[in-house]
Amino acid sequence: EVQLVESGGGLVKPGGSLRLSCAASGFTFDSYSMTWVRQAPGQGLEWVAYINSNSLYMYYADSVKGRFTISRDNSKNLLYLQMDNLGAEDTAVYFCARLPPYQLPIDYWGQGILVSVSS
Amino acid sequence: DIQMTQSPSSLSASVGDRVTITCRASQGISKYVAWFQQKPGKAPKSLIYGASSLQSGVSSKFSGSGSGTDFSLTISDLQPEDFATYYCQQYKSYPHTFGQGTKLEI
Repeated sequence: EVQLVESGGGLVKPGGSLRLSCAASGFTFDSYSMTWVRQAPGQGLEWVAYINSNSLYMYYADSVKGRFTISRDNSKNLLYLQMDNLGAEDTAVYFCARLPPYQLPIDYWGQGILVSVSS
Repeated sequence: DIQMTQSPSSLSASVGDRVTITCRASQGISKYVAWFQQKPGKAPKSLIYGASSLQSGVSSKFSGSGSGTDFSLTISDLQPEDFATYYCQQYKSYPHTFGQGTKLEI
């Protein structure tokens, strides 16, 4: 069974940093690209970042470019999102999600983790 | 960036109804559209990819169509568990933008 479990969320002050982790199991992690999607309270879904299976390619939403870094450790089946210089606009539930090969969209989602940015 | 305009933003329907949600892309994206269902407090669930292909395990009451710029999701024989928010997403190019969502209410 495919499982994606996020961790590392919480309350952080404006300007602070946080690193999210996503533990993957039930599939061959190093064969899949991965992505982060977030959802601000009461709002819609916003795509955040992408990383391919061997970490050669990463893409970011303009809203996080230069502040967030996506990475992965295929030896540990872990996906990360390092978030720096956080602002109130980054308050959201963050979901990690799996992307199948051959340019297919998300097929599995994690349960999400809340990040709150407030003084 | 490709913009996805979803309509309506909310929709009222009754059990047993058939409803259609539409999504328009700001430029041609072939069939690179996915649809997701999200219930309150839960992660989204993947329903459809390639505009019309059902994800594994998804009920055939969900169907998708379209190509180019205009796409639709149809849900037939609405049941209480189908009342949720639905999102389209284009995955032709990054950023993989979502529509703003359609809240389907009883």
